[in-house]
Amino acid sequence: AQTVTQSQPEMSVQEAETVTLSCTYDTSENNYYLFWYKQPPSRQMILVIRQEAYKQQNATENRFSVNFQKAAKSFSLKISDSQLGDTAMYFCALIQGAQKLVFGQGTRLTINP
Amino acid sequence: DVKVTQSSRYLVKRTGEKVFLECVQDMDHENMFWYRQDPGLGLRLIYFSYDVKMKEKGDIPEGYSVSREKKERFSLILESASTNQTSMYLCASRLRRTGPHEQYFGPGTRLTVT
Repeated sequence: AQTVTQSQPEMSVQEAETVTLSCTYDTSENNYYLFWYKQPPSRQMILVIRQEAYKQQNATENRFSVNFQKAAKSFSLKISDSQLGDTAMYFCALIQGAQKLVFGQGTRLTINP
Repeated sequence: DVKVTQSSRYLVKRTGEKVFLECVQDMDHENMFWYRQDPGLGLRLIYFSYDVKMKEKGDIPEGYSVSREKKERFSLILESASTNQTSMYLCASRLRRTGPHEQYFGPGTRLTVT
């Protein structure tokens, strides 16, 4: 069975700082996809970044980047130059083949002015 | 842009009532999903549907049923609401089952059962 674990329930940093959110997962497959989703307060969940397991290069989207360590089954999200609008719940998720998405417990990130 | 809408943002129901949560997507997506979100537990899948008239149980289907009579609409039904079903309910859609297609989420319905 697939599992996703986020060990940091809450994090808080100052605006403009860099912050890293941790995620570990377990799967028996070689081909799968990993995602980070963002859920701002009272707003819809949106996709932040996606990583394909067969690609060694870490995905990046503007200020968001991942550190994908396949052997360690680790998938952390780095937010550079954090902004107030980055305040949100962040969920790590895994999918393999045509199976369903499996989510972690979430990390509540607060960016302080 | 894909738009996923849910019929209510907030809902208060009494124990034993039958509750309908509606979800509509406007991008001709084949797959639709219902999750519940609880603090410390993340999102847990209740039911999903790969196409019209199809449904599959997720991880926590007990106490729920679903209906998908039209491609764009996926309904979650609480046959007899109980207090332990107080939660945030999120609907999502995805283009199709193959490939790493992104799931698009609705705004959520916060249901309180008293």
